[in-house]
Amino acid sequence: GENVEQHPSTLSVQEGDSAVIKCTYSDSASNYFPWYKQELGKGPQLIIDIRSNVGEKKDQRIAVTLNKTAKHFSLHITETQPEDSAVYFCAASRSWGNTPLVFGKGTRLSVIA
Amino acid sequence: EAQVTQNPRYLITVTGKKLTVTCSQNMNHEYMSWYRQDPGLGLRQIYYSMNVEATDKGDVPEGYKVSRKEKRNFPLILESPSPNQTSLYFCASSLGQGVNTGELFFGEGSRLTVL
Repeated sequence: GENVEQHPSTLSVQEGDSAVIKCTYSDSASNYFPWYKQELGKGPQLIIDIRSNVGEKKDQRIAVTLNKTAKHFSLHITETQPEDSAVYFCAASRSWGNTPLVFGKGTRLSVIA
Repeated sequence: EAQVTQNPRYLITVTGKKLTVTCSQNMNHEYMSWYRQDPGLGLRQIYYSMNVEATDKGDVPEGYKVSRKEKRNFPLILESPSPNQTSLYFCASSLGQGVNTGELFFGEGSRLTVL
């Protein structure tokens, strides 16, 4: 089955700097890659996703890149703000069949004001 | 308001005392799932359900049961809880899984402590 590795496990950045979180996956048939943000005391929430027919997707200050050949994808947050502090999870799955979403172990991002 | 509702949010219980964590969604979603979140281990899937009367094991199903008698409800049952089931539990739902892979909507979580 699918295995998703996520790095780093913790990340501290100064407000205004950029943050990058990287994930690798094992199943070459995976073609759906979402990112979830979990704020303190809440459930995870989808912030952006990418499918394998594109290499990059942007939404304001966040972007995700995908390298299918190397089987890795990354989340980029620019101009970080204190409210970006949270735990971020990457995930991967096939968008067909009954294969479930497999999550990485998470990255705790702290943005220091 | 579209939401996934879990109850209870917090529970302290003792080994062996059966408990049920309820989950209900009001979005008419086909797919529902339970996860547990433990420090350093991320989100691990316990059970999932593609539709009514269709449930399947996830990565860590031992010690848990589920049922899906109605589309909106997906309770998690711990028949004989043990301390290693102390965890933060999340229920989630989505419109579809597989062909229609889409956003998972999570509940607020249920923190369970088994003494």
